[in-house]
Amino acid sequence: GQNIDQPTEMTATEGAIVQINCTYQTSGFNGLFWYQQHAGEAPTFLSYNVLDGLEEKGRFSSFLSRSKGYSYLLLKELQMKDSASYLCAVRDHDFNKFYFGSGTKLNVKP
Amino acid sequence: DSGVTQTPKHLITATGQRVTLRCSPRSGDLSVYWYQQSLDQGLQFLIQYYNGEERAKGNILERFSAQQFPDLHSELNLSSLELGDSALYFCASSVASGLTDTQYFGPGTRLTVL
Repeated sequence: GQNIDQPTEMTATEGAIVQINCTYQTSGFNGLFWYQQHAGEAPTFLSYNVLDGLEEKGRFSSFLSRSKGYSYLLLKELQMKDSASYLCAVRDHDFNKFYFGSGTKLNVKP
Repeated sequence: DSGVTQTPKHLITATGQRVTLRCSPRSGDLSVYWYQQSLDQGLQFLIQYYNGEERAKGNILERFSAQQFPDLHSELNLSSLELGDSALYFCASSVASGLTDTQYFGPGTRLTVL
């Protein structure tokens, strides 16, 4: 089976840095994805990791450790518009199967 | 705007009924994925099609079926609807089916079963 865990909710202050963790236990692994989803809207792609290490993309960075089954999404210089849910998703060794965590709701306060 | 379109945007129906949700992928994308998102279960992968053929099946109920047509649009059919089927249904598309493919999500269809 697949098990993907993320904190349910986090709160941070505008301008600060926040780290959203994701741990996973899957029967196979072929990549980890992070998506942002505003309430009632579609998820939008943020980042992709398949090798260990840090991928940086502007204010957002994502880290992966395959041996630990662990990833995090780092958001810098938080803005109010970053208030959203952040979904961690793992692709199985079958390239076509994706498993999503329940998402972390991030509240950014002034 | 991701380029993926879904119709209808909202659908209200009764238990026991059958509905069809439609998805048009981004131009050039061959893969279509269907997901269900309910409040208590998060985003659940249902099924994937690639160039008209079924490629992967997730947690899709037997009451649900899907297909992808020659013009690459896809339909998700939900039958014998139950209250618990009320959810947001997303379609996503990607270029192919490879390792680095990114999925682009449509705006979703909100299904309410009364």
